[in-house]
Amino acid sequence: QSALTQPASVSGSPGQSITISCTGTSSDVGGYNYVSWYQQHSGKAPKLMISDVTNRPSGVSPRFSGSKSGNTASLTISGLQADDEADYYCSSETSSSTLVFGTGTKVTVL
Amino acid sequence: QVQLQESGPGLVRPSETLSLTCAVSGFSMTSGFFWGWVRQSPGKGLEWLGHIYHTGSAHYNPSLKSRVTMSVDTSKTHFSLKLTSMTAADAAVYYCARVDVRTFDAWGQGTLVTVST
Repeated sequence: QSALTQPASVSGSPGQSITISCTGTSSDVGGYNYVSWYQQHSGKAPKLMISDVTNRPSGVSPRFSGSKSGNTASLTISGLQADDEADYYCSSETSSSTLVFGTGTKVTVL
Repeated sequence: QVQLQESGPGLVRPSETLSLTCAVSGFSMTSGFFWGWVRQSPGKGLEWLGHIYHTGSAHYNPSLKSRVTMSVDTSKTHFSLKLTSMTAADAAVYYCARVDVRTFDAWGQGTLVTVST
């Protein structure tokens, strides 16, 4: 199975909004509403930020939101803050009842 | 709240089998969740290895399927990963996690595994 495609890096200034894309196929992202997003600070374990495309777990800032259109899911971070600087990964269910992660995106706060 | 802690050897020799255990506390393993493993090679992205239900029903990454086995211990407080025929390409931080439907909603801190003679 091939990793979902994410941009290698995205940057923005404090207070701005950024969007990270996650592109797959109709056999994964496009076919299921089981897309999740994870934040990983350097040297730390990943943290769940969004599940089921749009669901934000308790405790996650409302500045984080998810969406999906066709075979591409997106994570938007609004009101960018210094602590948002991290790597972000998407994941999706696949038609083979497996899971696949995205290639990862490094977010830099300028 | 659920806590997960990986344990196992930090060093494995090439061709040998890696055995890791994940201890689960603060939550019952029989409460309807899957339990999974994810690894991350140095400087690389996340790779799903597989996940298992407390009954033993498991799903594995097809690219590793012939080499990977997961199990849940009879006390239902630990689950394990075995990966055979280890090579340098298997060197990574290995994470265990709770899987809610298709989401990893709780993670262990990770354990670094090096493959070397």
